[in-house]
Amino acid sequence: DGGITQSPKYLFRKEGQNVTLSCEQNLNHDAMYWYRQDPGQGLRLIYYSQIVNDFQKGDIAEGYSVSREKKESFPLTVTSAQKNPTAFYLCASSGQETYEQYFGPGTRLTVT
Amino acid sequence: DAKTTQPTSMDCAEGRAANLPCNHSTISGNEYVYWYRQIHSQGPQYIIHGLKNNETNEMASLIITEDRKSSTLILPHATLRDTAVYYCIVRASQGTYKYIFGTGTRLKVLA
Repeated sequence: DGGITQSPKYLFRKEGQNVTLSCEQNLNHDAMYWYRQDPGQGLRLIYYSQIVNDFQKGDIAEGYSVSREKKESFPLTVTSAQKNPTAFYLCASSGQETYEQYFGPGTRLTVT
Repeated sequence: DAKTTQPTSMDCAEGRAANLPCNHSTISGNEYVYWYRQIHSQGPQYIIHGLKNNETNEMASLIITEDRKSSTLILPHATLRDTAVYYCIVRASQGTYKYIFGTGTRLKVLA
């Protein structure tokens, strides 16, 4: 089955620790995205990548970092510099033909 | 990127048509209207998109006004599984991969 996988579904960390969220896609999409969602809110763009070895900051990139070494993978690191990291994180990908985005199931991160 | 305005919430009786409005009065000529929905604690799901003509697929219909300043997503026979948050998004046809998600419309389908 083609799709996007995110793991784990739930993640717990202590304050001050960096944590990396994984995102893998087998849709052969060039573009990948990371969003953050807080309760009752819409999605906000953290980072996006249009091609391997290239990525751009979204609207709320501070405290986050990404890499895009392979087309299939776009991991997100939540650093200790992110002041309020507890949130629902969603990864997505899109092709060049229609730009519709396909989303993964999300990772719910809780930092205490 | 043009902004969109949607009602915060709506109710719809099961089996009836659900009509979800979206205002995008600042839309420009090359911007498409996309609709997604998000069922609780899941990733958003693509529904439909259009430029200026009305569109229909197996999930829904999209009606765009002639001046393109507003649109309506129609779920012809709503079921309980259609209960979700529906997002209307405007995106340029080229040059940007960015969507701007608002808070959407929370649709509740009632039995």
